[in-house]
Amino acid sequence: QSVLTQPPSASGTPGQRVTISCSGSNSNIGSNTVTWYQQLPGTAPKLLMYRNDQRPSGVPDRFSGSKSGTSASLAISGLQSEDEADYYCAAWDDSLNGYVFGTGTKVTVL
Amino acid sequence: EVQLVESGGGLLQPGRSLRLSCTPSGFTFGDYAMSWVRQAPGKGLEWVGIIRSNRYGGTTDYAASVKGRFTISRDDSKSIAYLQMNSLRTEDTAVYYCTRGSGGYYFPYFDYWGQGILVTVSS
Repeated sequence: QSVLTQPPSASGTPGQRVTISCSGSNSNIGSNTVTWYQQLPGTAPKLLMYRNDQRPSGVPDRFSGSKSGTSASLAISGLQSEDEADYYCAAWDDSLNGYVFGTGTKVTVL
Repeated sequence: EVQLVESGGGLLQPGRSLRLSCTPSGFTFGDYAMSWVRQAPGKGLEWVGIIRSNRYGGTTDYAASVKGRFTISRDDSKSIAYLQMNSLRTEDTAVYYCTRGSGGYYFPYFDYWGQGILVTVSS
């Protein structure tokens, strides 16, 4: 069982804004930076956001990240069909002395 | 171009051992941590463990679910990382991804992933 909780699903129509939450605790999100990964169907995960709000080269600025206290969020503005994927948050956990992933959120473009 | 290629997967019985290899290219292997992440069929991502670069002492950490059974090692002279899996259980069945770790000792993130390799443990 994951220590980072995400909603199982989120959806929107093309062009809409979708937000995914990631809830943790003081030992993970509260103490360390948050990373987001995108997994397109049938493919390996890809780094989407690191250090809470930093986009790797090549990631569109439609994606944005934020962190407050023990929670983090990923927002997708101007939703596109190619954004349909599973999204995972992650962080280092000081109590577990390990890296933890969120439960994952499946984003559907209606 | 950074690439990570896993090899060594397969089908084996519970209790047996298996070693996965990760062969990278496109970057200076010794400068980075390497980590393994797995995904059981139809399930989410699960971190397996990490081996840091020599800059950070080459230290390792593992998920509780594999600690004592799995060992991650690296050979910087050959630019290859390994995941030795012993006492395999049916619940270890998953696609195993090799990843490159950036971000420092306690703030890692995995910026490149291999294509994954399937390990099936079944009697």
